[in-house]
Amino acid sequence: KQEVTQIPAALSVPEGENLVLNCSFTDSAIYNLQWFRQDPGKGLTSLLLIQSSQREQTSGRLNASLDKSSGRSTLYIAASQPGDSATYLCAVSGNTGNQFYFGTGTSLTVIP
Amino acid sequence: DAGVTQSPTHLIKTRGQQVTLRCSPKSGHDTVSWYQQALGQGPQFIFQYYEEEERQRGNFPDRFSGHQFPNYSSELNVNALLLGDSALYLCASRRRQLLSGANVLTFGAGSRLTVL
Repeated sequence: KQEVTQIPAALSVPEGENLVLNCSFTDSAIYNLQWFRQDPGKGLTSLLLIQSSQREQTSGRLNASLDKSSGRSTLYIAASQPGDSATYLCAVSGNTGNQFYFGTGTSLTVIP
Repeated sequence: DAGVTQSPTHLIKTRGQQVTLRCSPKSGHDTVSWYQQALGQGPQFIFQYYEEEERQRGNFPDRFSGHQFPNYSSELNVNALLLGDSALYLCASRRRQLLSGANVLTFGAGSRLTVL
């Protein structure tokens, strides 16, 4: 069974700092990997999707990388802002692309 | 363009009761999945529907059942509620006919169920 782990569980940084969130998964036979953001009590907002054949994706200040063979992904956030404060979730889908397996998330606080 | 809409947003039930949650997928999407998110945890896959049939199911008991309608909207039903069913229930939709292999999931805001 696929297991997804995210570290750290919580992170607090001063505004303007660059930071990296980590995600690891046990089964490398994934269809794709997706990073989400979740604000307290809210649904999930998709940030970036990396297909299994890709190595990275970029959107604005966000860059996500994927190393499928080692079962790792990172989400890099440049020049963090207080509005980036949220929980960040990593999810991988199996071969069919139907079921996503989620980590427990990293709770990020950016201090003004 | 409306995204995924879910109703109700909050509800409170007592043990043993039954609940129905509703989801309308994003325009152009035909596949709906349901997830359960307990407090402090990541979402757990319940099941997925397309073409009005359950196509894949996670590790959830038969008390959890669903339905998809011809307009692609979906319902999640939970019978004989337990305290442990208290969670945020998330609906996600996507287009089954994949474009360039991408299957970005779009999530709704969720329905928060409290079981007393």
